[in-house]
Amino acid sequence: EVQLVESGGGLVQPGRSLRLSCAASGFTFDDYAMHWVRQAPGKGLEWVSGISWNSGSIGYADSVKGRFTISRDNAKNSLYLQMNSLRAEDTALYYCAKDLVYSGYVRGAFDIWGQGTMVTVSS
Amino acid sequence: AIQLTQSPSSLSASVGDRVTITCRASQGISSALAWYQQKPGKAPKLLIYDASSLESGVPSRFSGSGSGTDFTLTISSLQPEDFATYYCQQFNSYPGFTFGPGTKVDIK
Repeated sequence: EVQLVESGGGLVQPGRSLRLSCAASGFTFDDYAMHWVRQAPGKGLEWVSGISWNSGSIGYADSVKGRFTISRDNAKNSLYLQMNSLRAEDTALYYCAKDLVYSGYVRGAFDIWGQGTMVTVSS
Repeated sequence: AIQLTQSPSSLSASVGDRVTITCRASQGISSALAWYQQKPGKAPKLLIYDASSLESGVPSRFSGSGSGTDFTLTISSLQPEDFATYYCQQFNSYPGFTFGPGTKVDIK
């Protein structure tokens, strides 16, 4: 079964850091680009960051650029999101999502999603 | 950044109705558009990609059309399990993928 399982969320104070993880199974992880997408409570979806299969192409939304860092470890079938200088507006459910296209390069449609990990930024 | 608008923002419909949701992009995105369905407390589910390609396992009552700036998601005969929120998403501009604000479909 193809599966993505996120972890690492929690309550954190503004200005602090948090690292999210996503464990992938059921598919050849290094054949696909991967992404993080977030959803604030009661709000819509926002793409956060994407990474190609070999980490050669990485992109960020303007709202997180310079504060968040995406990475992956293909040997561990894992995706990460290092979040620094967190703000109240970063409060959201963070989803890990698999890119649709087999090539490993970023295409940008997301066919498999995890269940999300909640990040709450509050003092 | 490319902005997406959706209309309507919500609609009420009955089982068996034909439902159409529109997504408009602020600039041309060719056919780089996807549609997702999200139910409360669940992750989004990919329905349509490349504007009109049906994702594997998605019922054929779902269809997509359009290119450039104007796109449509159609549900030919609404089923009870289709009551959900629908989002369009453009993937023409990287980095900078964006989603529409969503259309909530509920029971009339």
